[in-house]
Amino acid sequence: EIVLMQSPGTLSLSPGERATLSCRASQSVSSSYLAWYQQKPGQAPRLLIYGASSRATGIPDRFSGSGSGTDFTLTISRLEPEDFAVYYCQQYAGSPFTFGQGTRLEIK
Amino acid sequence: QVHLVESGGGLVKPGGSLRLSCAASGFAFSDYYMSWIRQAPGKGLEWVSYINSVGSTVDYADSVKGRFTISRDNARNSLYLQVNSLRPEDTAVYYCATGRYSSYWGQGTLVTVSS
Repeated sequence: EIVLMQSPGTLSLSPGERATLSCRASQSVSSSYLAWYQQKPGQAPRLLIYGASSRATGIPDRFSGSGSGTDFTLTISRLEPEDFAVYYCQQYAGSPFTFGQGTRLEIK
Repeated sequence: QVHLVESGGGLVKPGGSLRLSCAASGFAFSDYYMSWIRQAPGKGLEWVSYINSVGSTVDYADSVKGRFTISRDNARNSLYLQVNSLRPEDTAVYYCATGRYSSYWGQGTLVTVSS
């Protein structure tokens, strides 16, 4: 089983700042089969990024994903008020398709 | 427009069973892998199970293996999760979602396991 570790656990930033979220895998994620999701309170998660760097339909270009192997990053270039939420990474290279524990992005 | 609607959750005693359903519309259901993902109150996401497009390949998280069974009926555009031998730690919102990575999610159905 691939274990995903997200850091930091909580990130406190202000609107307009740049956010960098990390997801590290316990073993290489083949073909960069890594996704990122955003979840707001009381809502289902929303897909942001798949294939490590491809934006899902309708996702603003301030969201970008990068990385390969065991180290992946989600970057939000300029934070908007609606971006404050919890973010999860997920690998789907091999079952079980595990999630990271999440990073909470909060307003400073 | 893609729509996934879960049902079948509720309050059940430890050791009990439920059958969760997910009604799909707005896309070619029979072409998609489908997954169940759960979220315990105040906790993160936990992948539970997936099934391939024709129902011939399935897999489960170790935490539910032997107790949960995923299935689908492509003629009815429906996904199911039979959950048996329920434990308090199975208390969660259960989401159905498309694919191995999930472009579309339902709003979830709450399963509460308590005596």
